[in-house]
Amino acid sequence: DQQVKQNSPSLSVQEGRISILNCDYTNSMFDYFLWYKKYPAEGPTFLISISSIKDKNEDGRFTVFLNKSAKHLSLHIVPSQPGDSAVYFCAAFRRTYKYIFGTGTRLKVLA
Amino acid sequence: GAGVSQSPSNKVTEKGKDVELRCDPISGHTALYWYRQRLGQGLEFLIYFQGNSAPDKSGLPSDRFSAERTGESVSTLTIQRTQQEDSAVYLCASSLIAGEYNEQFFGPGTRLTVL
Repeated sequence: DQQVKQNSPSLSVQEGRISILNCDYTNSMFDYFLWYKKYPAEGPTFLISISSIKDKNEDGRFTVFLNKSAKHLSLHIVPSQPGDSAVYFCAAFRRTYKYIFGTGTRLKVLA
Repeated sequence: GAGVSQSPSNKVTEKGKDVELRCDPISGHTALYWYRQRLGQGLEFLIYFQGNSAPDKSGLPSDRFSAERTGESVSTLTIQRTQQEDSAVYLCASSLIAGEYNEQFFGPGTRLTVL
């Protein structure tokens, strides 16, 4: 039972363009959603989060959108840079429960 | 301050041997998580230590896997009679408060290869 799904295993984007990474979830009880970034041979690092009571959160080049009716969130990176090339994990959190991670999307930003 | 550390960084073992992986969380962090990432796959939850509450072991794939944590300090993940399918990167993460949303900090992982 995969509660958090990232259906696109990989994505390639030209430098300077927008990268859109998608994530779907099945449990409407989640309180927070998060995005993590992972470089090879390193642990994931926190990127941005959004509370379930919000529909948008922005931090510099990164914006996360939450569509609760569709149980869908997306991460927008504008403009994309070669250093953004990494694996991006979507995660969901429910109080008194634990984090649930998606399977990841490998983003490649082409110079 | 120091982040989450894990040791060893790499471990190669023969099928059937036992291995022990160590995680040193950030000092004072109540919650500690173990995850596994197989090649080309996502983060698979293994076990969650949540302060003084009983650990959530629901992600452990078989009884060959076990983990311990003493208080709010070091945790060890033990895999007995290793199999080739146990080959993966084992990641540990900690967060300050168990049961509430707060940032998880990940260690660099231990890459386990079972020959």
